[in-house]
Amino acid sequence: QVQLVQSGAEVKQPGDSVTISCKASGYTFTTFALHWVRQVPGQSLEWMGWINGGNGYSELSEKFQGRVTITRDTSATTAYMELSSLKSEDTAVYFCARFREGWAAFDYWGQGSQVSVSS
Amino acid sequence: VLTQPPSASGTPGQRVTISCSGRSSNIGSSTVNWYRQLPGTAPKLLIYNNSQRPSGVPDRISGSKSGTSASLAISGLQSEDEADYYCAAWDASLTAWVFGGGTKVTVL
Repeated sequence: QVQLVQSGAEVKQPGDSVTISCKASGYTFTTFALHWVRQVPGQSLEWMGWINGGNGYSELSEKFQGRVTITRDTSATTAYMELSSLKSEDTAVYFCARFREGWAAFDYWGQGSQVSVSS
Repeated sequence: VLTQPPSASGTPGQRVTISCSGRSSNIGSSTVNWYRQLPGTAPKLLIYNNSQRPSGVPDRISGSKSGTSASLAISGLQSEDEADYYCAAWDASLTAWVFGGGTKVTVL
């Protein structure tokens, strides 16, 4: 069965960087894209960007360009999302989600990774 | 970017409908997906391509789209339907996926 398992909670200070991992299993990693979506406490979902599991091509939401880097390691079937220059407003739960192209939808989600930014 | 009512409610067995309003650059030119999120958990796909249900989603849940609006209907409301619901679509102008603000469904 398809599973996306994310890394654990992180506590960071303003200005730090954080890297979250998303380990995929149960499907051929290189044939699906993985997207990153975050949810600030009490708020809606916010799309951050995506990476092609096969060729590593990535695109980011304009809001996060310059601060987010998305990479993947095909041998580890894992995607990574690095967010730099952290601010308190980045305190959120970060999700990875598999994109099913034929459905144009996120069909499987990771469990979420809590990132807390505080001085 | 997509507008949803903040809340909706109904008694067990009733039908609840959630609206999702957008514009020509998103709903008007793209398919709409719906997700359900229980507290403290990840979103789960309920509807894709406006009205299609993934395997395992009961047929009492349905979706539709017309122009720049979409809606999700839950009939035969059950206590397990208490959750937050989000619509989503690709926005061609923003070149980004956009989500609705979410609707909290309460079963009275």
